[in-house]
Amino acid sequence: GIQVEQSPPDLILQEGANSTLRCNFSDSVNNLQWFHQNPWGQLINLFYIPSGTKQNGRLSATTVATERYSLLYISSSQTTDSGVYFCAAINAGNNRKLIWGLGTSLAVNP
Amino acid sequence: EPEVTQTPSHQVTQMGQEVILRCVPISNHLYFYWYRQILGQKVEFLVSFYNNEISEKSEIFDDQFSVERPDGSNFTLKIRSTKLEDSAMYFCASSTANTEAFFGQGTRLTVV
Repeated sequence: GIQVEQSPPDLILQEGANSTLRCNFSDSVNNLQWFHQNPWGQLINLFYIPSGTKQNGRLSATTVATERYSLLYISSSQTTDSGVYFCAAINAGNNRKLIWGLGTSLAVNP
Repeated sequence: EPEVTQTPSHQVTQMGQEVILRCVPISNHLYFYWYRQILGQKVEFLVSFYNNEISEKSEIFDDQFSVERPDGSNFTLKIRSTKLEDSAMYFCASSTANTEAFFGQGTRLTVV
């Protein structure tokens, strides 16, 4: 099945800094989503982005499906951005299960 | 904004007891899912459900697990005889065809 790998595993930023999180996937995808897991464990949808580029405020994401990677950009980071960022993908085909990466744990210090 | 809701938010149960985790998916969604996340690990797929039947399940989803859509709004996950290793955060999700999945806030299950 499809493999999803995220990097870096851990990231520490000073408030106001920018960062790029990467997600590599091993096969073609029908669906790719980015999530933020907050300290209470809730999964917050950030982007549904099987291809192309999207922006939402200080966050943006780009998926290059032909090269099998997706990037999540965080600009002007804030302490509330802290948490774990997950990438999850659905392999092209008939199944609908999301396969998850291990996540990037982000800490933004004031 | 429509959302997936899960109850309870926390559940503590004794080993060997049955638990039922409840979910109300988004009303116009047709596909329903359960995932789990053991503390500190990645999220794992358990089962998908469509048209009143299981469409796919993982190796984790053994005979101790079952799902049901008892009425037009609820979607439940039952664990018949809980084990210590069932302790995890359980997430319900729903989607329409070929679109993003939306997740509930999770139920933290602790088996003691």
